[in-house]
Amino acid sequence: GIQVEQSPPDLILQEGANSTLRCNFSDSVNNLQWFHQNPWGQLINLFYIPSGTKQNGRLSATTVATERYSLLYISSSQTTDSGVYFCAVERWGTGFQKLVFGTGTRLLVSP
Amino acid sequence: SAVISQKPSRDICQRGTSLTIQCQVDSQVTMMFWYRQQPGQSLTLIATANQGSEATYESGFVIDKFPISRPNLTFSTLTVSNMSPEDSSIYLCSVEDRRTDTQYFGPGTRLTVL
Repeated sequence: GIQVEQSPPDLILQEGANSTLRCNFSDSVNNLQWFHQNPWGQLINLFYIPSGTKQNGRLSATTVATERYSLLYISSSQTTDSGVYFCAVERWGTGFQKLVFGTGTRLLVSP
Repeated sequence: SAVISQKPSRDICQRGTSLTIQCQVDSQVTMMFWYRQQPGQSLTLIATANQGSEATYESGFVIDKFPISRPNLTFSTLTVSNMSPEDSSIYLCSVEDRRTDTQYFGPGTRLTVL
């Protein structure tokens, strides 16, 4: 099956710093989403981004489908950004959203 | 976006017993998904539940262990049967929004098996 690797696995930032999270996937995909899991376990959908670039406030994401990677940028980080970030992909041709989740990046933003 | 609720939010159970988790959505959806998240790990899809048909299970998951019901377009249940400590996990249901091609998750059920 498709493999989804994220880096770095852990990241510690001071409040106000910027960061880039990476997601590599091993096969062609027709769906890629980024999620944030807060410290209480709730998963929040950040982006649907199978290709191209999107921005939402301090967050932006870029997917280069031909090179099989996606990047999530966090600017001016805040303590509320802490948690685990997952990318998830749907392998091309499966027809509906059977997502395969990546390994995750655990982010801690300290004040 | 869909609003999803799950019951119970957490439970502590004895080995050998079974627990049924409920998932309720505020709108009608075709597909509902059940995931497991073991401690410190990523999410793994257990099965896909389509209303009116048998659930489709992923490799490594079987109906006898994780029976699923989908009686209507807004509700599903997952049962964790004959539990062992290895079943201690967060169980999450999700739905897809076909208008935006995104997936939304419930708050999860934290299960501890002693």
